[in-house]
Amino acid sequence: NAGVTQTPKFRVLKTGQSMTLLCAQDMNHEYMYWYRQDPGMGLRLIHYSVGEGTTAKGEVPDGYNVSRLKKQNFLLGLESAAPSQTSVYFCASIRYTEAFFGQGTRLTVV
Amino acid sequence: AQRVTQPEKLLSVFKGAPVELKCNYSYSGSPELFWYVQYSRQRLQLLLRHISRESIKGFTADLNKGETSFHLKKPFAQEEDSAMYYCALSGSGNTGKLIFGQGTTLQVKP
Repeated sequence: NAGVTQTPKFRVLKTGQSMTLLCAQDMNHEYMYWYRQDPGMGLRLIHYSVGEGTTAKGEVPDGYNVSRLKKQNFLLGLESAAPSQTSVYFCASIRYTEAFFGQGTRLTVV
Repeated sequence: AQRVTQPEKLLSVFKGAPVELKCNYSYSGSPELFWYVQYSRQRLQLLLRHISRESIKGFTADLNKGETSFHLKKPFAQEEDSAMYYCALSGSGNTGKLIFGQGTTLQVKP
């Protein structure tokens, strides 16, 4: 049972490049989340989804897009990366009220 | 608006000393409160939730609706408690949002 898996684990992007972060869960959870973790800022919610085909904005959605075409996958896209998006990104899925987290993706935008 | 505030970025105590990690929240309805912990090189994981009224690894937390607080306490800190601790809030009614505070690093010195 893999739980929540994030791909890739590390990535360096140049300003203006695009990329997609993949989150996959095998627990059949309805709710999935994308957070970014920055020093002194804690975990901030970017976007979330309460079910297949649905997405909603979190606290810091600007510059990101998401899609939930399949229940098990939640994709986070950066269309035009900026240095301010350098961060560690965490995906989570929820069973009842307990969140299960991925291992994180460390993204650096230069 | 939902908001979680952890006023201390770093809390440093000696082994055997009492620990209190502060968490205050803002929410107009009936929230569900949680504490999550991230040990070094491990995934973020649930430590405890207020509805369970349980003690995990010697930690307890009581929801004080009058003071809108959910402080995490342990009477005698252990070195293995050193980690990053996050307080989190989920609104009632299955809104889906799970909001985290800024996090507090607990350092337990020998």
